[in-house]
Formats: sequence, C-alpha cells, structure tokens
Amino acid sequence: AQSVTQPDIHITVSEGASLELRCNYSYGATPYLFWYVQSPGQGLQLLLKYFSGDTLVQGIKGFEAEFKRSQSSFNLRKPSVHWSDAAEYFCAVGRSGNTGKLIFGQGTTLQVKP
Amino acid sequence: DGGITQSPKYLFRKEGQNVTLSCEQNLNHDAMYWYRQDPGQGLRLIYYSQIVNDFQKGDIAEGYSVSREKKESFPLTVTSAQKNPTAFYLCASSAPPSFNSPLHFGNGTRLTVT
Repeated sequence: AQSVTQPDIHITVSEGASLELRCNYSYGATPYLFWYVQSPGQGLQLLLKYFSGDTLVQGIKGFEAEFKRSQSSFNLRKPSVHWSDAAEYFCAVGRSGNTGKLIFGQGTTLQVKP
Repeated sequence: DGGITQSPKYLFRKEGQNVTLSCEQNLNHDAMYWYRQDPGQGLRLIYYSQIVNDFQKGDIAEGYSVSREKKESFPLTVTSAQKNPTAFYLCASSAPPSFNSPLHFGNGTRLTVT
C-alpha cells in the first residue's frame, strides 16, 4: 500500500542552524512528491515538488529537497533556519494521474530556539 | 487576488445535527478536494471532484456528502452518521489533473461537535 512516513514528530533547532526533515515513502511507480508547510490554524502552502528530472529540487523560502530513489526518501533541508520557519511540515506523495489525491505523512513540528 | 475561501473559520454543532462547510474558489480550477486533518495523522482525503456535477469518494468518505453544482463551489456536509466529526477540514483545488498542478489550500474550518 502507498504510504508516507515522517519519522520525526517534533524537531527543535537553534536559529541559524541547519535543518533536515526526513520523509520516506512507499509507492510502486515513480512518485510525485511534495513538501507543504502549515502555520497554526492555517491552510497548507506548497514549499516544493518533485515530478521528474533533477533529483535536487529548490523551493520557496530557501528550502530544498533531494529525491533518492534507492532509499525511497525525499528529505527537506535548509542551510540556516529562521525563527519564522517554526511551523508544521508535511511530506506527501501524489497518486498516479492525479496530483491532487495526495497521501500525507503525519507531519513534523519544527520549533526554532532563539 | 485569487484563492480559496472557507467559511466559517470555527463551527460548533451539537451531536446528531448535520452541518455544511463552505468552500469557494476563484482560481478557475476544475478540480476540488476536501481533506480532514487530525492531530498526529496528517491529512486524509474525504471527497474530490474533477468536474462540475461529478465527484468521487476519497479514503474516508463515510458520514460525509458533497455536491458540485458550480465550478467555484464544493460544499461538504458532515452528517450525523460521521462517528467522530470534530476535526480541522481543509478544502483545496488544482488545475485539471496533470503533470504540473499542485494543490492550493484554503485556510480551513475547525468543526467542534459536542
């Protein structure tokens, strides 16, 4: 069955430190992969997406993610975290033929220490 | 400014009552979706519609109903048959299902049933 796992429920980093949020997926075909960010009580905003091609994807707000087929992973990274990055982050995989029918991971809450 | 409007932001109902959540978009998107968000569970797909007058069940459709009479509108009714309706509900839309059309989300409606 298709699934997405985000192993870290909660992560705390210091402002200015680097960040990596993990995402592993289970999907039979070439996946469409997404990272979304959610501020408390708000909707989700797309950070970046991978459909094909270059496995290192650049997104908004200085985020990037790397697709590694051999590890079934799509980890999100940022070299230097800002206090405004504190939010909940969701990894998702799109089911073939419909990039709106997403399977989401459980989410990782990021806390940023001053 | 184009976007998705969900109303109201907070909704309170007594158990046994049906309640309808509103979702309107002015992005001229064909496809619309309803997701449910529970703490620690990510988002799960309730219903989706790819064109007017047509919709399909998602992964957790039991106890919910939808209609799609207009392209701009996709209301969700939470019926009394839904066993655990208290949740955060997110509406989303996308351009016709294609290679490069991620979801755009509204800001959600938090439903509390007591």
